[in-house]
Amino acid sequence: KNEVEQSPQNLTAQEGEFITINCSYSVGISALHWLQQHPGGGIVSLFMLSSGKKKHGRLIATINIQEKHSSLHITASHPRDSAVYICAVTKYNNNDMRFGAGTRLTVKP
Amino acid sequence: ETGVTQSPTHLIKTRGQQVTLRCSSQSGHNTVSWYQQALGQGPQFIFQYYREEENGRGNFPPRFSGLQFPNYSSELNVNALELDDSALYLCASSLGQVPRGYTFGSGTRLTVV
Repeated sequence: KNEVEQSPQNLTAQEGEFITINCSYSVGISALHWLQQHPGGGIVSLFMLSSGKKKHGRLIATINIQEKHSSLHITASHPRDSAVYICAVTKYNNNDMRFGAGTRLTVKP
Repeated sequence: ETGVTQSPTHLIKTRGQQVTLRCSSQSGHNTVSWYQQALGQGPQFIFQYYREEENGRGNFPPRFSGLQFPNYSSELNVNALELDDSALYLCASSLGQVPRGYTFGSGTRLTVV
């Protein structure tokens, strides 16, 4: 079983829809990261969380440390949000970063 | 401030050859991490360098080695290339021995034939 599990693997939405991507992890962590990867490979760091909730524009990330679960929400989705979204954790007291397999999001106009 | 730059962007090598990939870290960052991302999978941690010393290593064989220079740029070397080494290699820079935030490069896509 992977230490970081994401769901769903693939997600197709209509423009304007509210989107949720989920991440569960099974190890002790010092931080959880949400990353965005576009075709061609470049990765952009969206959020780094150790507790609570963060918001940047239309993106919201939450984490529940007790349940070892995080969610990434996109409000009023747009075709330019189409990308692979990756959840990653930095293991506690370690520099090893473990990644989920990613969620491929396609937003149709 | 400049971001993370990786070179080359694409590379084709023959099985058994050796390859060197390069990464220039973001200005002010002193930690560099390397990741391998096979097609359709999430990245896998290879190793991390902090102030020119290895600061953590994932489950990769010794033929994967690295180096960090005094200016905090870094190299990833892979010897005796295998077909399964074909992947996107990502570099990320950060600040501190136990980094919190990372800036990623665009990656080097290596194809081994």
